[in-house]
Amino acid sequence: KAGVTQTPRYLIKTRGQQVTLSCSPISGHRSVSWYQQTPGQGLQFLFEYFSETQRNKGNFPGRFSGRQFSNSRSEMNVSTLELGDSALYLCASSLAGTGSETQYFGPGTRLLVL
Amino acid sequence: AQSVTQPDIHITVSEGASLELRCNYSYGATPYLFWYVQSPGQGLQLLLKYFSGDTLVQGIKGFEAEFKRSQSSFNLRKPSVHWSDAAEYFCAVAPFSGGYNKLIFGAGTRLAVHP
Repeated sequence: KAGVTQTPRYLIKTRGQQVTLSCSPISGHRSVSWYQQTPGQGLQFLFEYFSETQRNKGNFPGRFSGRQFSNSRSEMNVSTLELGDSALYLCASSLAGTGSETQYFGPGTRLLVL
Repeated sequence: AQSVTQPDIHITVSEGASLELRCNYSYGATPYLFWYVQSPGQGLQLLLKYFSGDTLVQGIKGFEAEFKRSQSSFNLRKPSVHWSDAAEYFCAVAPFSGGYNKLIFGAGTRLAVHP
């Protein structure tokens, strides 16, 4: 099976712009989670989607949003970008998102905000 | 609040030496426990996980971890380190209740391996 894929892999934006990142889960996986990784804050949970519904959300401002499509592919959007949004954004997929399942991570999208 | 502490930010070992990476968690009950590894420019790969049962868990690449409830610890070990083990290692917990995917990560331990 193909692994989790994320596009694009690298992105450069300027402050105030918005950005959309895409994640394609492993075939058959219905849960997709998003994480932000920065040197200062480490790995932080953004949100999780299951069957097109957001089930859980981390402590991030409303500028961070996401959605999931009927084929389980997910997108996350960051509006009004700030310098501090520069990070590696990782998505992870699992079968049903039961907490005990293994989450499989993609390679990430590295976002640089100038 | 749930939290994960990895006391060692950097560890350097010689190739062939044994390794132990420490992880302590703070949670009301026994959570699901995980160890992930991240190589430069890559995503995270699961090494092993613990839910219940035998407190010594075997994982991939020769790694094992031991859960100690009394110490709220889940330390990762490897008897003989290879140069390819150089990477960053993350301990994580997932809340037992709720049934949803939400990993809380420690700050990570960066492992360097000397030849």
